[in-house]
Amino acid sequence: AQSVTQLGSHVSVSEGALVLLRCNYSSSVPPYLFWYVQYPNQGLQLLLKYTTGATLVKGINGFEAEFKKSETSFHLTKPSAHMSDAAEYFCAVSDRTSGSRLTFGEGTQLTVNP
Amino acid sequence: GAVVSQHPSRVICKSGTSVKIECRSLDFQATTMFWYRQFPKKSLMLMATSNEGSKATYEQGVEKDKFLINHASLTLSTLTVTSAHPEDSSFYICSASELGREASYEQYFGPGTRLTVT
Repeated sequence: AQSVTQLGSHVSVSEGALVLLRCNYSSSVPPYLFWYVQYPNQGLQLLLKYTTGATLVKGINGFEAEFKKSETSFHLTKPSAHMSDAAEYFCAVSDRTSGSRLTFGEGTQLTVNP
Repeated sequence: GAVVSQHPSRVICKSGTSVKIECRSLDFQATTMFWYRQFPKKSLMLMATSNEGSKATYEQGVEKDKFLINHASLTLSTLTVTSAHPEDSSFYICSASELGREASYEQYFGPGTRLTVT
């Protein structure tokens, strides 16, 4: 079985500050890892994903995440927050035995203060 | 590319009636479509997985007779909430994985449907 834990249901940063959203996973096999963003009353948009290869993954809108196997983590970062980054962020894991089936974390609401 | 649409985006129905939600992949063929339910301020809960031409696989605790899923073609899946009750009110989101790109394990999400049962 696989699971995802997102530490901090709410994160608040100032505009221009570093964004760090934490994600830890549990998987019995090497995982595929994803970060999605959701704006109010909308579906999910893929920010970035890790499957194989380079452990530092760059995504859209200036976000990046690093897969750390030893820490079972896949934290999402952005050097400088914009007001438009305010949204709900979900970390998800898919293992290779379950096809495309995703297991989501509980989500982190990011607030960006002016 | 890889756009998924849902219709309607918002629906209000009376208790006891049925409502159908459509999920379409607009520019690709979808091997598999997934239906999720999202409660306010909560994460996505997978309800069922459907493959074109076969019966959907429901997650534990999801009533298959209440949430009917039909995956008639490689671009269309429908979710019918039968005999809806207020507790079925929720945000329903579908997603699809692309035929031939299953190895990417990527899902493309629709914009969601807000169901309110009065």
